[in-house]
Amino acid sequence: TQLLEQSPQFLSIQEGENLTVYCNSSSVFSSLQWYRQEPGEGPVLLVTVVTGGEVKKLKRLTFQFGDARKDSSLHITAAQPGDTGLYLCAGEDYGGSQGNLIFGKGTKLSVKP
Amino acid sequence: EAGVAQSPRYKIIEKRQSVAFWCNPISGHATLYWYQQILGQGPKLLIQFQNNGVVDDSQLPKDRFSAERLKGVDSTLKIQPAKLEDSAVYLCASSSLTGTAYGYTFGSGTRLTVV
Repeated sequence: TQLLEQSPQFLSIQEGENLTVYCNSSSVFSSLQWYRQEPGEGPVLLVTVVTGGEVKKLKRLTFQFGDARKDSSLHITAAQPGDTGLYLCAGEDYGGSQGNLIFGKGTKLSVKP
Repeated sequence: EAGVAQSPRYKIIEKRQSVAFWCNPISGHATLYWYQQILGQGPKLLIQFQNNGVVDDSQLPKDRFSAERLKGVDSTLKIQPAKLEDSAVYLCASSSLTGTAYGYTFGSGTRLTVV
């Protein structure tokens, strides 16, 4: 069974601080996605990374896919209260049903003004 | 474009009762997914449809859960009879292509409470 471990589980920081969230697995994934979920809503896709070593930037968010395609990180620079939410990583099952995403448990981020 | 529509938003039922959820994906999206998200956990795939055919239902508890997508558009997920552990948010998602390079679009979910 493929598992994605996210850390930390909870993170509470002040506005302006930097943070990194990690997503690790012993399995290889075809691609990895990051989602943000707000209370009462479904997850919203932030980015998809496909190539080992790939780095993508989305404004103050930087996403990296590990060289071996087993892990990923999300770095937020100068966090703002609007970044508050549940960050989920999800890996596409390599060799399994295409489109079948395996989700981590998420990192709950709270950014205080 | 309109998003993925789900209804109802909330449902409270007693254990052993039946419940049904409805999902209308984004127009033209061939692939539809139902996920279960228990509080404090990430979503877990229940079933994947490609048009009106089932691609993967290996994690669907088939003794009590059923799902259909008769015309390859909207879908219903049913639980009969419900158990306390079925309390969760049921998320529907759709994508235009098989494979996740293009990402999923999720609906807002149905929050089910079984008492």
